[in-house]
Amino acid sequence: GAGVSQSPSNKVTEKGKDVELRCDPISGHTALYWYRQSLGQGLEFLIYFQGNSAPDKSGLPSDRFSAERTGGSVSTLTIQRTQQEDSAVYLCASSLGTSGVAKNIQYFGAGTRLSVL
Amino acid sequence: GQQLNQSPQSMFIQEGEDVSMNCTSSSIFNTWLWYKQDPGEGPVLLIALYKAGELTSNGRLTAQFGITRKDSFLNISASIPSDVGIYFCAGRYYGGSQGNLIFGKGTKLSVKP
Repeated sequence: GAGVSQSPSNKVTEKGKDVELRCDPISGHTALYWYRQSLGQGLEFLIYFQGNSAPDKSGLPSDRFSAERTGGSVSTLTIQRTQQEDSAVYLCASSLGTSGVAKNIQYFGAGTRLSVL
Repeated sequence: GQQLNQSPQSMFIQEGEDVSMNCTSSSIFNTWLWYKQDPGEGPVLLIALYKAGELTSNGRLTAQFGITRKDSFLNISASIPSDVGIYFCAGRYYGGSQGNLIFGKGTKLSVKP
C-alpha cells in the first residue's frame, strides 16, 4: 500500500481480555517496528522484525505481549489478559531495511488507540 | 537504558517567530532524526542526519548533528500556524540495536493565546 496501515484505529476492551493489533507495512519494506506511546510521552520501543524474525524484542514489557510477522509482511501484536496500564497508542513503522543510509528510515502508521476499562 | 533529553517540553509560538529545540544524549549517536506528530497521526519524518557536523534544511526547517555526536537541534524559521504539533528527536547510538530508535519525550508547539 501507499503507507503503513494499522487496524483497528481504536479499540476499547475490558480488563483481562486479549487484543490483537494489526500492522500492514509499506510494500517492499523488510523491517517492521512496534512502539507504544503513552499520553504525553515519547515513543517506547517494543520489538522489531527483519523479515519474519525478531532480532530485538527487548522492549516487550511482559510475557503478556507477543508479536508475530508472517510472509514478511503483515504483523500482529497480541496483548493477553489486558491491564489498565496497557492503555496507550500502539504505533507501527516500517523501513526498507535496517542498515545503510536512508534504508533504515522508519515510516509510521497512524496507530491503534487502546483503552482498557 | 539509553535516554534522550529533549527541550523545551513545550513552547508557545506567535506567527513569524523563529523556534529552536534540541536533544542531548549521554552516548554517542550515529543517526539523528527529527519527526513531527499531529494529533491522531503517527510521526512524520522531517529531517535525517547521519554525520557529525551535518547541517540539513527542509524548507523553513534546519537541523544539525552536533560535533560531539551527543546532541542535535532543530530550528523552525518564520513559524506559521500549521507548525503546531509535537516534535520528536530520535536516534541510534553506537552499539545499539539497528532496529531500536530511541525517542525524546517531545516538544509541544502551541499557538500563543
